Amino acid sequence: QVQLVESGGGVVQPGGSLILSCAASGFTFNSYAMHWVRQAPGKGLEWVAVRAKDGSHGFVADSVKGRFTMSRDNINNMLFLQMGSLTVEDTGVYYCARDSNAALPDYWGQGTLVTVSS
Amino acid sequence: QSALTQPASVSGSPGQSITISCTGSSSDVGAFNYVSWYQQHPGKAPKLMIYAVNTRPSGISDRFSGSKSGNTASLTISGLQAEDEADYYCSSHTTSNTRVFGGGTKVSVL
Repeated sequence: QVQLVESGGGVVQPGGSLILSCAASGFTFNSYAMHWVRQAPGKGLEWVAVRAKDGSHGFVADSVKGRFTMSRDNINNMLFLQMGSLTVEDTGVYYCARDSNAALPDYWGQGTLVTVSS
Repeated sequence: QSALTQPASVSGSPGQSITISCTGSSSDVGAFNYVSWYQQHPGKAPKLMIYAVNTRPSGISDRFSGSKSGNTASLTISGLQAEDEADYYCSSHTTSNTRVFGGGTKVSVL
């Protein structure tokens, strides 16, 4: 069965950096684009980034452009989100999700919590 | 990219039908047949309920159905059950190749 396990969350100071990871299993990883989606405490879902199945290109939300970079390792079935210049508005649960091949996520991980606080 | 517009809350009695709207623009909902709906229970990850406007993934009850007209997509839950009480989010592909979510709708079963 499809399994997505995020890691790397934690507490970081404003202006700091963090790298999130997502380990994928149960499907052919290099056949699917992948997404990151976040959710601030008590708030709705916010799409963050998508990466093509071969890793050749991707897109990010305007809110994180120039600060976050998404990458993937199709050999080890891993997804990454490099986050920099973090602000308190970046606090939330970060989910990795598989693309359904209809442009939007289908399977989701359980999420990892990022807290930006001094 | 502005969030899609959903009603903050919708409620219904058991057995009734409810519909949640999701209004976007010609740059997202109106541009593609790539609209998905997600159910999220408190403290849980979102679960895909509908994709490509009106397609149910395997294992999703046929009480859930989706549609779209112009820039507005809709999710209908028929035969409302207590377990349907949750937050629901729509999402769409956009013409700039990003994705956008709605603000979410809290469904209450009276």
